[in-house]
Amino acid sequence: DAGVTQSPTHLIKTRGQHVTLRCSPISGHKSVSWYQQVLGQGPQFIFQYYEKEERGRGNFPDRFSARQFPNYSSELNVNALLLGDSALYLCASSLGQGYAYEQYFGPGTRLTVT
Amino acid sequence: DAKTTQPTSMDCAEGRAANLPCNHSTISGNEYVYWYRQIHSQGPQYIIHGLKNNETNEMASLIITEDRKSSTLILPHATLRDTAVYYCIVRVWNNFNKFYFGSGTKLNVKP
Repeated sequence: DAGVTQSPTHLIKTRGQHVTLRCSPISGHKSVSWYQQVLGQGPQFIFQYYEKEERGRGNFPDRFSARQFPNYSSELNVNALLLGDSALYLCASSLGQGYAYEQYFGPGTRLTVT
Repeated sequence: DAKTTQPTSMDCAEGRAANLPCNHSTISGNEYVYWYRQIHSQGPQYIIHGLKNNETNEMASLIITEDRKSSTLILPHATLRDTAVYYCIVRVWNNFNKFYFGSGTKLNVKP
């Protein structure tokens, strides 16, 4: 079975531009979470979507937005890019929200803002 | 707002057990402890999780102290491929599941 897939793998953008990152969860998984990982640090939670609704949001500015589609894939959008947005963006999917909750991470999208 | 503290790095000889400690002194009663590892900035890989009982699977064992303020991940026979950053994570439920990652421990397995 295919794992979590993300596209693109790498991306270079200029300050002030907009970027869209895409994630396809494992088949059957209905929940998608997004994380930002700055070099040398652990991942930081950005959003969680479950059944196409936003369920949780981390401490990120409104320039960050996301959505989940009927097929449970997801997009992360970042507007007005800053140099500090350079990071590895990780998507994770899970089956649901139960006690045996496990997240499966994709390989990430490396975003460089110049 | 990390809820865990871990040593920055550790060394382990190949074939020996690797014991990775983690402090989570503010953990609440219904919050789970998870361990993931990350190799060369790939996506983190699930290892194991637990609430208050010790857990074991094919990859590792998780020992949680009785007061739940700390835990230890044990890799019984470390190999060179186990070299990675290991994250101890607290999972918090507040109408959704949120993982709090710390800064992780870089485990160096040496021949």
